[in-house]
Amino acid sequence: QQQVKQSPQSLIVQKGGISIINCAYENTAFDYFPWYQQFPGKGPALLIAIRPDVSEKKEGRFTISFNKSAKQFSLHIMDSQPGDSATYFCAASMNYGQNFVFGPGTRLSVLP
Amino acid sequence: DADVTQTPRNRITKTGKRIMLECSQTKGHDRMYWYRQDPGLGLQLIYYSFDVKDINKGEISDGYSVSRQAQAKFSLSLESAIPNQTALYFCATSDSAGLYNEQFFGPGTRLTVL
Repeated sequence: QQQVKQSPQSLIVQKGGISIINCAYENTAFDYFPWYQQFPGKGPALLIAIRPDVSEKKEGRFTISFNKSAKQFSLHIMDSQPGDSATYFCAASMNYGQNFVFGPGTRLSVLP
Repeated sequence: DADVTQTPRNRITKTGKRIMLECSQTKGHDRMYWYRQDPGLGLQLIYYSFDVKDINKGEISDGYSVSRQAQAKFSLSLESAIPNQTALYFCATSDSAGLYNEQFFGPGTRLTVL
């Protein structure tokens, strides 16, 4: 119940395309869903996050879509750029950030 | 993130050796964490500390120990390293006063156990 599943494991997108990464969870007590971006040789960094009381959050080219009934959330990267090439982790936590659980990650490659 | 530093950045050691990974932060955060990253497994929590006198085991604490020497310092020790501890290790910090406990990660330590 503590797991967060993430797919795909890797993704290749052409420049200008849309990148979509999906995550699913079981524990309905989770109340915070962040996405982290990790470049090679760097630690993960918070990219965007959402709470379950909204269905979508957009920040620039990055959008989280949240489906509470399906217990799924996804990251959409519009107009993908080579600089977006990184590993993306979804995560979930409960109790205002206690007990973080990370997905296994998706390696995104955006071709020029 | 320069506010969270980890030393060493790379370490190669032999089976059975004791090693220590160190983490320091200048963010003034009270909470600190150690994670392990393996390909395809994401980030797994080893230990976490919510203040200097608080140490808690994470999901994969066996074979590891930690010490919180000060609010700004949190070290991870492998008492007797084994090859399956070869991984990328990250320290992270967070502020309990923050709304959602956003975690800030260090640059990582790549550990190889031969």
